[in-house]
This record gives sequence, C-alpha cells and structure tokens, in this order.
Amino acid sequence: DAGVIQSPRHEVTEMGQEVTLRCKPISGHDYLFWYRQTMMRGLELLIYFNNNVPIDDSGMPEDRFSAKMPNASFSTLKIQPSEPRDSAVYFCASTLGFTDTQYFGPGTRLTVL
Amino acid sequence: AQSVTQPDIHITVSEGASLELRCNYSYGATPYLFWYVQSPGQGLQLLLKYFSGDTLVQGIKGFEAEFKRSQSSFNLRKPSVHWSDAAEYFCAVGAGMGNTPLVFGKGTRLSVIA
Repeated sequence: DAGVIQSPRHEVTEMGQEVTLRCKPISGHDYLFWYRQTMMRGLELLIYFNNNVPIDDSGMPEDRFSAKMPNASFSTLKIQPSEPRDSAVYFCASTLGFTDTQYFGPGTRLTVL
Repeated sequence: AQSVTQPDIHITVSEGASLELRCNYSYGATPYLFWYVQSPGQGLQLLLKYFSGDTLVQGIKGFEAEFKRSQSSFNLRKPSVHWSDAAEYFCAVGAGMGNTPLVFGKGTRLSVIA
C-alpha cells in the first residue's frame, strides 16, 4: 500500500496567489481529514469528509480556504488568496471508520512570501 | 468535548535511559487513545492505540503505554531510548460515541543525547 499521498511536498508562493494542495487517501478508507500544523497552534483540524461529503468544516479559518473531495481517491485544499500567515505544514489523513487509526500523509510545507 | 494535555514541551534523555512521556485527557466516557510520532519533515506515524481491554498497550519500536482511568492518563514509556527515537510525540484522544474527531495534544519534543 502506498499510504496517503500528498502533493506538492513543498510550495512557495507569493501573497495573493491561489494555492492548491492535493491528497490521495488510502484506497478503501471512508474518512479524510485535512490538518494544519504550526509552531504556535500545533495540529489543527480544518475539515473532514465522510464518503466524499464534507461533514465538519468548522476548523476552516476563513472563507479564503475551501476543500473538495470529488471522488473517493482525491481531495483538494485551496487557499485563495494566500497570505503569509497561511504558511504552515498541511497534512491529509485518512481512516476506515471514524474512530479508527488515522494514517497521515507526509505533508505539504507551504510558504507564502 | 474531549481534550488532551501533554505537560512537557521538551524532554532530553540520555541514550539508553528510560523514557516516560505524559498525557492527560478529559472525557466523560471511555476514550480512544493514541500515541503518534513525527520525525522531522515527516507525517505522523501511529505508535500504539488503546480502545478497550488490557490497559497496558504495546506498540512499535519498543514503546508501551498504560491507560489509567483514575488518573485520566495515558503515559508513553520506553525502557531504553535509542538516538533514533528523537522526534515529536503526540497524544490524541477520540470519543467512543458521536462524531467528535480526534483531538491532538500540543506534542512533546524528545531529544536524545549520547
């Protein structure tokens, strides 16, 4: 099993640009989670999906953030427009069953200049 | 809603010494408990988990953790630390019922010295 795949691994962009982060969950998993990790705030849950449907997006910081899951094997997290305070590591995780082990991807390190 | 506290931000131990990382949780019922490890530049990897049954749980890399309901704790232990154990460790608590997702602690950074 390839595990959770995220791309790109690193993204450097300028303030105001659109950023799209991608995630491929483990095949067969029915939950997908997006997290953001910073030194100041630790690991924050942004949004999660069940069977491709967004269940809870209360962690999404602003309207500039949006997430989609068009099918069971692909999800995107978009930031438009990006700001320097969005600089962080963004993780995607998937699980089979809500309370079971979450498997994390390697993360995308985003730097907004 | 559940919450989790890792009181130690940073711990330094000598190679070969024993290790205990603390985790305290708050939840009204029996929680699901996890320990994850994050090496620099990597995602989080599961070390072990507790759902029910035996309160002493064995994990990968020689780690173990003990669930103590009376103390609301789930401390992680290892009898002899290796230099490769240097990493960030996260405790997480999940609710057995409902749709409340995992809550992660702030993490404890472990440094290992020779």
